[in-house]
Amino acid sequence: GQQLNQSPQSMFIQEGEDVSMNCTSSSIFNTWLWYKQDPGEGPVLLIALYKAGELTSNGRLTAQFGITRKDSFLNISASIPSDVGIYFCAGRVFGNEKLTFGTGTRLTIIP
Amino acid sequence: DAGITQSPRHKVTETGTPVTLRCHQTENHRYMYWYRQDPGHGLRLIHYSYGVKDTDKGEVSDGYSVSRSKTEDFLLTLESATSSQTSVYFCAIKGGTSYEQYFGPGTRLTVT
Repeated sequence: GQQLNQSPQSMFIQEGEDVSMNCTSSSIFNTWLWYKQDPGEGPVLLIALYKAGELTSNGRLTAQFGITRKDSFLNISASIPSDVGIYFCAGRVFGNEKLTFGTGTRLTIIP
Repeated sequence: DAGITQSPRHKVTETGTPVTLRCHQTENHRYMYWYRQDPGHGLRLIHYSYGVKDTDKGEVSDGYSVSRSKTEDFLLTLESATSSQTSVYFCAIKGGTSYEQYFGPGTRLTVT
């Protein structure tokens, strides 16, 4: 099956810093999705990407669909306390209704 | 809000007992999914459904069965629960013609 490597596994940053994380795949994906999960809740969709090279923003969040179609990136600008949580990438190969998820990046903001 | 509810939200059960988790949606989506979430593994697909009575296996389907007799309900059954099935279980739906999945609030299952 498809393998998704998400990095870093965890990040410790100060409020106001920018954040970057990424996912790489062993397969070519046709869709990349980014989710955020707060403790005790289900993942919430942040951004969906459908074309290689696509750059999409959602407020302070920006995600990119890599041109090789085997990677995707998520950036958060000027982090705030409510950005704390676990961020997951997910990808879909052509013709498949299933998603493969990364293992997550845990974001912590240091006071 | 994708109109997804899961029940129960928390359950503690003993090894060897049967357990059924319910996912209910209110928006008539065709595709529904069951995932389990464990530390270090992210979300792994157990089973999914693409219509009433139409289901297929995911990557971690052993020990689980599913049923979908109505569009709005997707049931996950552990026929004989084991400690390795202690996990948080999430239901998801696929919205319309997109590939975006939306998740329910989860069920925390502990098998003692």
